[in-house]
Amino acid sequence: DAGVIQSPRHEVTEMGQEVTLRCKPISGHDYLFWYRQTMMRGLELLIYFNNNVPIDDSGMPEDRFSAKMPNASFSTLKIQPSEPRDSAVYFCASKEQGLAVDEQYFGPGTRLTVT
Amino acid sequence: SQKIEQNSEALNIQEGKTATLTCNYTNYSPAYLQWYRQDPGRGPVFLLLIRENEKEKRKERLKVTFDTTLKQSLFHITASQPADSATYLCALSVGYSSASKIIFGSGTRLSIRP
Repeated sequence: DAGVIQSPRHEVTEMGQEVTLRCKPISGHDYLFWYRQTMMRGLELLIYFNNNVPIDDSGMPEDRFSAKMPNASFSTLKIQPSEPRDSAVYFCASKEQGLAVDEQYFGPGTRLTVT
Repeated sequence: SQKIEQNSEALNIQEGKTATLTCNYTNYSPAYLQWYRQDPGRGPVFLLLIRENEKEKRKERLKVTFDTTLKQSLFHITASQPADSATYLCALSVGYSSASKIIFGSGTRLSIRP
């Protein structure tokens, strides 16, 4: 398996523009997580899905952020409109269901810069 | 409020020595705790998981302890090598099922000098 795939790897956009980040989880994994990492706030959970259904979106900073998982092999995180304070590295992670297997597998991240 | 603290933003260790990283938490009762390694420009990579009813877990040169009374986990790397240099993150489960989410600490940057 290629692991968790994220695209794009780098995104530079101007304030006010819409940004869409993409993630393909590991095949067979039931959970998908979106995280944001900054120097100031560390690694923060934004939202996670189980079997394509959003379970907890309490970490989504505001209504400008939205996430979807239309099927088991694809998820998007959208920011509209983007602001400079959204600049961060966004990670997607996936894991299998089951108490014995709880490790999360992270993608390489998308570095977002909003100017 | 709930808090996870990883003592020492950075730790410098001589090659061959044992590196010990600390993770303290307050106002949590995690069912398990995990340690991840993160290299620059990459996503975190899972290392070890230890459950609340386990005191210690080992994997090769790595050892993790979990003291639910002290609300502390210690992460040890024995016979440290320059290749062990990275940022190490602890993560606590929130919830009591495999559906629980994990909350990450801010990390400790470990440097092993030759």
